[in-house]
Amino acid sequence: ELKVEQNPLFLSMQEGKNYTIYCNYSTTSDRLYWYRQDPGKSLESLFVLLSNGAVKQEGRLMASLDTKARLSTLHITAAVHDLSATYFCAVDASHSGNTPLVFGKGTRLSVIA
Amino acid sequence: GAVVSQHPSRVICKSGTSVKIECRSLDFQATTMFWYRQFPKQSLMLMATSNEGSKATYEQGVEKDKFLINHASLTLSTLTVTSAHPEDSSFYICSAIATKGVPEAFFGQGTRLTVV
Repeated sequence: ELKVEQNPLFLSMQEGKNYTIYCNYSTTSDRLYWYRQDPGKSLESLFVLLSNGAVKQEGRLMASLDTKARLSTLHITAAVHDLSATYFCAVDASHSGNTPLVFGKGTRLSVIA
Repeated sequence: GAVVSQHPSRVICKSGTSVKIECRSLDFQATTMFWYRQFPKQSLMLMATSNEGSKATYEQGVEKDKFLINHASLTLSTLTVTSAHPEDSSFYICSAIATKGVPEAFFGQGTRLTVV
């Protein structure tokens, strides 16, 4: 059974600081997703990582994937208040793309002045 | 990217009534869709897998007679919460996977169900 562990679960960081959220998973995966969720809203797709060594960046967020270590990271650079949200990683263990994603518990990020 | 549309976004109903939630893939066909439930400050939990033209597959602990799923076409899945109770109040989110090219999951806007 695929398990996805995310840490930390809560993160309070000052504006301007850097931090990394970690996502470990238990079995081989073809695809790893990062999502952002604002209160009362659905999921906003941030990144889809498809291969070992994949690195993607968008603004102050950068995601990477190490399939050998079964680890993905979401790095936040020079945080701003607008980044406050809950971030989820999710893993797809299938090759067909017809199986549901398994989600981590989420990291609730609060960026304070 | 592909679009998944979910409706309604918010519904309030009385205990004992039924509520139907629709999930549509707008620009791709989806033989499989997924229904998740999210309680406050928790992660998404898979409820069931909706299969076009056949019965849905439910996760352990999810009552199939209470959460009726119908996937009658390649672009529409519905979830009906029957005889709703306050403990069914939650955020329900559907997902479909676009398989043209590299498969990628897309999510609906979610439905906030409040049972009073």
